[in-house]
Amino acid sequence: GEDVEQSLFLSVREGDSSVINCTYTDSSSTYLYWYKQEPGAGLQLLTYIFSNMDMKQDQRLTVLLNKKDKHLSLRIADTQTGDSAIYFCAESSNYQLIWGAGTKLIIKP
Amino acid sequence: SQTIHQWPATLVQPVGSPLSLECTVEGTSNPNLYWYRQAAGRGLQLLFYSVGIGQISSEVPQNLSASRPQDRQFILSSKKLLLSDSGFYLCAWSQGLAGVGSYEQYFGPGTRLTVT
Repeated sequence: GEDVEQSLFLSVREGDSSVINCTYTDSSSTYLYWYKQEPGAGLQLLTYIFSNMDMKQDQRLTVLLNKKDKHLSLRIADTQTGDSAIYFCAESSNYQLIWGAGTKLIIKP
Repeated sequence: SQTIHQWPATLVQPVGSPLSLECTVEGTSNPNLYWYRQAAGRGLQLLFYSVGIGQISSEVPQNLSASRPQDRQFILSSKKLLLSDSGFYLCAWSQGLAGVGSYEQYFGPGTRLTVT
């Protein structure tokens, strides 16, 4: 069945770039997404990418898609303490999204 | 613009008591609606989704049920809560038909349920 995998934790120093990785299995997914969840809050859509694109950039965020390897990454430039959160990767499947387990981004001073 | 509301924000209920969580969406029509549960602040488990009034699809067997009495209202219920029902419940909406649109989902603020 469809599956989305992410590493559970990522620790980076403030000011460095963070790269959060995700692999998915459904090659027919048309959209792939990144969401951010701060403690005690709902999920916030950060960005999404159409499957025929390789890259999408939005201010400090860069999404890279390698469709051949079914690999998606989110790069956050100049990581700040406010970026501390859990980041979820998801792929589209009809009316639903298939979710990864989330990567907790820890910022070291 | 569209907004999604959930209430209550937190709830403490004894085992065996009933449950009713409500979610409403404003600023859109005929949305797809979803209920998720999140345990221990990590992965999302899809409980129910609805593509229209009175249409509910259940993803996992459980003692919970969902209803959609109006186009933009989605209710999660239980007749008797279990300890294992504790968690963070999230409602979400999306716009789009199968094969059309980008399906991104927008989330409410969540309800923290503790069953004691």
